[in-house]
This record gives sequence, C-alpha cells and structure tokens, in this order.
Amino acid sequence: GAGVSQSPSNKVTEKGKDVELRCDPISGHTALYWYRQRLGQGLEFLIYFQGNSAPDKSGLPSDRFSAERTGESVSTLTIQRTQQEDSAVYLCASSSASGQGSYEQYFGPGTRLTVT
Amino acid sequence: AQSVTQLGSHVSVSEGALVLLRCNYSSSVPPYLFWYVQYPNQGLQLLLKYTSAATLVKGINGFEAEFKKSETSFHLTKPSAHMSDAAEYFCAVTRKAAGNKLTFGGGTRVLVKP
Repeated sequence: GAGVSQSPSNKVTEKGKDVELRCDPISGHTALYWYRQRLGQGLEFLIYFQGNSAPDKSGLPSDRFSAERTGESVSTLTIQRTQQEDSAVYLCASSSASGQGSYEQYFGPGTRLTVT
Repeated sequence: AQSVTQLGSHVSVSEGALVLLRCNYSSSVPPYLFWYVQYPNQGLQLLLKYTSAATLVKGINGFEAEFKKSETSFHLTKPSAHMSDAAEYFCAVTRKAAGNKLTFGGGTRVLVKP
C-alpha cells in the first residue's frame, strides 16, 4: 500500500515568509508525528497527534511553529515568519497505535526547507 | 526523560568486514529501542526494534542488535558489510508513556570501502 507522502519535496523561501508543509499518513494510522532534521544533526521531535486527543506540542521550538491535523488524515505544519535557522528537512511519520506493541513509525521522504 | 548517545558520527569499514555501531540510552522506565537507516535523500527506514521480547533482535539486510540492560546499550551489528550498507544510521528510544515520540541519537554515517 501507499506509504507516508509529503509535499513539497523541496521548498525555498525568503526569510520572513510563511510556509506550509503537508503530510499524508498511511491510511488507518491514528498517530502522526513531525520531526526536524537539521544539517549534520539527528532528528528532533516537534509535535505528535493521536486520534482525537489534544496534540503533544512539547517539541515545537517557538510560537512561529504550529500544526494541524484533520481527523486521522492529512496534517500541515506551518512556520510563520521563517528564519534561516528553520532551514532543515522536516519529516513526518505515522503509526498504528494498535496497543499490541506495534510502535513502529513509518517515515515519509521529508520536505527540505531552505530559508534564504 | 530519555536520551540516546551514538558513539562515532562517522564509521569507515571495508567491504566484508564487521559493522558495529554503538548506541547507549538512558530511560527512567523500560524503553523501546529502534535502529533506523537513512539512504541519501530518502526518509528513514526501520531496520529493527526491541520492544521487551527477545534481547537479541534480528532485522532486515542482515543486521541485528542486542539489548543489554546492564550496559544500557543497543549496539547494531552486521557480520559482513556490503557496499549498499553505506548510509546514515540512527538509534532511537521511546516509551509508551511518552506517546511513542522518538528521541534520536545524532546518527552515524557509514562509509564502506571496496
């Protein structure tokens, strides 16, 4: 079946502009995660959605970052007034919170954001 | 709180030689541990996972890892490196109470020499 998809694959934007990144999770996956991977660094957790529960926003680096999810489908990550330090690959992942120990997260290919 | 340390940001191995990537974790509760691989310009792919069953975990592409609670380690090994193993490898930890959000190590880039 289809995996996690993300769009756009690449985004170049000017400092100060807003950007929206999109994630389509695997159908039926109730959990959705956003991570950020800055050049030469590991992945940082940003935000987590689980079903209809309030999202875990504990990883968002500033109030310029926000995310939404429509039901158990598409999610958008919005960065307002982008800064050069926001340049990174933004990865989305989804998982099936089956409660049977299936904690594997399936990752999308990422969106490479470059802020000039 | 939980954290992951990967020793060595770069590892160079000869084709056919043992691959050993080190991962140590800290977690206040029993962890779930993962190794992911990232090929250039691609997303992460799961190699293997430990979720409190067998301590020796076998994954895809001939990789395996052993969970050692006493050493808080989850090192990744492969007996014989192949050119196609050149990639970046990430160790990650989570626990159910954390909502399964992953905490990643800094990654280890593997170079395979012919």
